[in-house]
Order: sequence, then C-alpha cells, then structure tokens
Amino acid sequence: EVPLLESGGGLVQPGESLRLSCAASGFTFSRYGMSWVRQAPGKGLEWVSGISGSGDSTYYADSVKGRFTISRDNSKNTLYLQMNSLRVEDTALYYCAKCRVPEKVLDAFAIWGQGTMVTVSS
Amino acid sequence: QLVLTQSPSASASLGASVKLTCTLSSGHSSYAIAWHQQQPEKGPRYLMKLNSDGSHIKGDGIPDRFSGSSSGAERYLTISSLQSEDEADYYCQTWGTAIELFGGGTKLTVL
Repeated sequence: EVPLLESGGGLVQPGESLRLSCAASGFTFSRYGMSWVRQAPGKGLEWVSGISGSGDSTYYADSVKGRFTISRDNSKNTLYLQMNSLRVEDTALYYCAKCRVPEKVLDAFAIWGQGTMVTVSS
Repeated sequence: QLVLTQSPSASASLGASVKLTCTLSSGHSSYAIAWHQQQPEKGPRYLMKLNSDGSHIKGDGIPDRFSGSSSGAERYLTISSLQSEDEADYYCQTWGTAIELFGGGTKLTVL
C-alpha cells in the first residue's frame, strides 16, 4: 500500500490550468497537515503550499501565491493543488508530503509521495 | 529571514564516515530541522527530525548508521560505515509560522 499517490500531472501551455491530486491511505488523513513540494529538473526541493488537517488554514510560497490553491477532501482522503496561470518556471515534479505529527500544519515531512510531473511549454 | 545553507557537495570513501552540515540563518538557532535523503531518480525519504539540543527522531527503518547532532545554528547529519546506496542528495528542511523551507541540498559521492 502506497501511503501517498499523486496524479494529474501533464503537459500544458503557459497560461493554462491543471489540478493535481494526492490520494492518501494508511493513516487518519484528517488529522495531519499536508503540503505540496516541487522539484524542477536538476534542481532542489521547493515548498509550494501547505494546509491544515481541517483545511481551515492554508499557506503558500510567494512564487505561487494568487495562482495556486491548495485544498483537501477529508471524506475522500485526498489532497488537491489547483494550478492556474501556469508558467514555464512551474515545470517540475510535484510531490505531496505528510507532516510527521498530527495537529501540526507545518512540520517535518515524514511521508512523501512518488511525484507527478508537470510540464509547462508552448 | 529564515534561510538554510548547505554545502553543494561532499565525498567520502566506502566504509568511512561523513558529516554533512546545515546552517540556520542568524536569529534562528533554536529551530528544529529535518533531514531527507533523495537517491538518484527517487523521491525524497525522511531520515530524522533534529532538535536544537541534538535529540532526534528517526524515520521507520532508518539504519543506526545515520545520526544527527546540533551545535548552535548548525545541524549535522553523520553517516557512518558508508555504503554505495548512501550516494544521494541530502536536504535539510525547517518550518516557521507560515512557511516551510529547504536547504539547497548536498550531493554526497561515495568513492
């Protein structure tokens, strides 16, 4: 059983939109803060956005603020990232990650998914 | 401003030990960090959470060869009895009030 499984990546043109999903299993999803982290080809890790277990609190990196929206559906154990107005520089492998302890919004990431690739190119 | 600084590269011989460093920016020396390993063509893997007092909480299945320690604003990851599969990128991570942050990563080569 894979604890976190991302999907929804693909090839899009600049200015277009895409929604990523991360299906969680094996833990009480609603109790844990979750984040999206991306990695451009050949580059390091960059945190994108985080959300509390309830979904009430959300946080964004400056590079995506106003364009990306993080959300979750605890009834479906699924995390989402709605990406609008995509840019070439958003091209990356997008990972979802789970906080190590419950009830924390931002914390060490103890579980990582395998990633889904987003390519923005004309 | 919260910043994590890592050396871009390190190397050590098979069977030897290596100590990687992650430095917190001024004014943030009390922050905990986490260490993650990313082997080639794989996703990141959580190694441990490391507190400012040097106490650490390792992930499931992380060998005893991996240990952490702290001194002031510096956080260390020591890998002993280096094996070929330890050749990887190592990232430190920290978090603040409304942000998560990664260091630039250290590429470890096992000679």
